[in-house]
Amino acid sequence: AQSVTQPDIHITVSEGASLELRCNYSYGATPYLFWYVQSPGQGLQLLLKYFSGDTLVQGIKGFEAEFKRSQSSFNLRKPSVHWSDAAEYFCAVGDLSGGYNKLIFGAGTRLAVHP
Amino acid sequence: EADIYQTPRYLVIGTGKKITLECSQTMGHDKMYWYQQDPGMELHLIHYSYGVNSTEKGDLSSESTVSRIRTEHFPLTLESARPSHTSQYLCASRGRGIADTQYFGPGTRLTVL
Repeated sequence: AQSVTQPDIHITVSEGASLELRCNYSYGATPYLFWYVQSPGQGLQLLLKYFSGDTLVQGIKGFEAEFKRSQSSFNLRKPSVHWSDAAEYFCAVGDLSGGYNKLIFGAGTRLAVHP
Repeated sequence: EADIYQTPRYLVIGTGKKITLECSQTMGHDKMYWYQQDPGMELHLIHYSYGVNSTEKGDLSSESTVSRIRTEHFPLTLESARPSHTSQYLCASRGRGIADTQYFGPGTRLTVL
């Protein structure tokens, strides 16, 4: 079965520092991959997604992610973190068994930003 | 910007009450979903629908039920609320294309006393 692993439960960075959130997936074929962000008490907002083509994907709010097939990874990056980026980040993969209509989520990474 | 709405946003209710959580979307999406999320935890799919009169149970067993009588509306009902139902409930919808994004509503935070 497909799965998504986010190895880091909590990450704390200083404002202005660079950020990388890790995501690994288990899947044989080319996956459909997503990163969502969730602010406290809110729903999920799509940051970016990968289906095919260029393996470096640009998203909203200055985020980008790189698909690396050899490492089964889709890590999220931002060169300079802002205090407003503090939130929960979820990586997800489209569920092939469900015709990609369903998403399989990782457990999330909680990002804290200190001044 | 996705147009998907959930009401109420917050609900505190006593044990044994019947509740309905509302979810509506104005994008004409066929596919709609309900997720349950405990604080700081991952999302678990509890129900989904691929169109009117179509509903399926998700990966996480739930005592709730859903209906899909209209394309834009996907309510979730708990016949008798219990403290174990305390959680956040997120609704989402998606278009028909294989590459379409799943859009989420703001969520309903339910507390059962």
